[in-house]
Amino acid sequence: GDSVTQMEGPVTLSEEAFLTINCTYTATGYPSLFWYVQYPGEGLQLLLKATKADDKGSNKGFEATYRKETTSFHLEKGSVQVSDSAVYFCALFSSGGSYIPTFGRGTSLIVHP
Amino acid sequence: EAGVTQFPSHSVIEKGQTVTLRCDPISGHDNLYWYRRVMGKEIKFLLHFVKESKQDESGMPNNRFLAERTGGTYSTLKVQPAELEDSGVYFCASSQGSRTEQFFGPGTRLTVL
Repeated sequence: GDSVTQMEGPVTLSEEAFLTINCTYTATGYPSLFWYVQYPGEGLQLLLKATKADDKGSNKGFEATYRKETTSFHLEKGSVQVSDSAVYFCALFSSGGSYIPTFGRGTSLIVHP
Repeated sequence: EAGVTQFPSHSVIEKGQTVTLRCDPISGHDNLYWYRRVMGKEIKFLLHFVKESKQDESGMPNNRFLAERTGGTYSTLKVQPAELEDSGVYFCASSQGSRTEQFFGPGTRLTVL
C-alpha cells in the first residue's frame, strides 16, 4: 500500500538557517503530494502541494519539488524564523479511488532566536 | 468564517471509562473525516461521513469506537470502554466535496491512564 517516510525530528535550527525536511513516498500511479503544518494549539493547515512530476509547490517561503525519479518531496526554506516552529507532515493523495491522504509521521521543527 | 472546531481540546480518563469527542465542521461541508495520531506515529484515517451517512469506516480500529453524525452537521466519536492504546490526538476534518481540500480542526488529545 501507499506510504510516506519523513525524517525523524525534532529538527532544531537557529533563526535564518536553511531548512530541509526530507520526505519520500511509495505509491502506485501518480499521487498528489502535500505538506501540512500544525502550529502549536492549531489544526493542520495545508502548506503547499504538487500534483504532478516536476511541479514545485511554494508558500510562505517554503518550497518542495515533486521528484518522481527519486519518489521524493523534500521541504525547504532558505531562512527560517521562530514563527516557523511547528510540526510538518508530508502526505500523499492516491491518484485513484478515495481521496483519503496517507501521512508521514511528522517532523517537529524548533527554531531558536 | 469559522473553521473546524473540536471539543474537548484535552481529555484524561481511566482505562475502562467512556469518552465522547465532538467535531463541528465548517458550515456547508457535507464531508467529515476523523483521523488519529498515536504519539510519534502517522496520522491515520478512521472514517468518512457524507452528510449523515458513513461513506468509509475502514480505518476504525474495533467496535469500541462508535461515530455518529446527527443530521449531517456535527459528529461525535465515542470510545467505550477506553483502553491504554487509544491514547493519541484525534483530528477531525471537513470538505465541501469528497475530492476537495480538507480543513482540519485542532485535534483532541486523549490520554487513557
